[in-house]
Amino acid sequence: KQEVTQIPAALSVPEGENLVLNCSFTDSAIYNLQWFRQDPGKGLTSLLLIQSSQREQTSGRLNASLDKSSGRSTLYIAASQPGDSATYLCAVRPVTSGSRLTFGEGTQLTVNP
Amino acid sequence: EPEVTQTPSHQVTQMGQEVILRCVPISNHLYFYWYRQILGQKVEFLVSFYNNEISEKSEIFDDQFSVERPDGSNFTLKIRSTKLEDSAMYFCASSEPQGWYSNQPQHFGDGTRLSIL
Repeated sequence: KQEVTQIPAALSVPEGENLVLNCSFTDSAIYNLQWFRQDPGKGLTSLLLIQSSQREQTSGRLNASLDKSSGRSTLYIAASQPGDSATYLCAVRPVTSGSRLTFGEGTQLTVNP
Repeated sequence: EPEVTQTPSHQVTQMGQEVILRCVPISNHLYFYWYRQILGQKVEFLVSFYNNEISEKSEIFDDQFSVERPDGSNFTLKIRSTKLEDSAMYFCASSEPQGWYSNQPQHFGDGTRLSIL
């Protein structure tokens, strides 16, 4: 059964810092990995999707990498801003499970002005 | 940008009552999903729906749950006899067609917070 883990559970950084969020998954047989942002009491906003054949995806200040063989993904946030404060979730779409996503528990990020 | 909309944003219901959560997926999407997030826990998959039938469901999605697409725009989740442990945030999501060849992101709504008393 696919398990997704995110480290650290919480992170607090000063504004302007570059930071890395980590996601690991136990079964490398995935179609894709998706990173989401969740603001308190709100839904999930899709940030990036990396297909299993890709190594990385970029959107603005965000860069996500995928090492499928080792079961790892990272989300790199450049020049962090207070508005980046949120919980970041990663989710994988396992090959064995149709279209469902399996989520990690998230990293709660606080960017201090 | 098109978005998934969910109503109501908060639903309070007595244990044992039926509840219907409503969703309007993005208009050109063909796959629809329900997930839930119990407070402090991971987001969990409940069910996916395609071509007017359930395509996949989790072990959580037992006989008390049902889904329906009553018209061309709405997608609903019904919980027949609610229990205290059904209290959670319920998210609807939609995507373009998924397949071994197709990797489309799932887009989520803001959720319905369901509180069972």
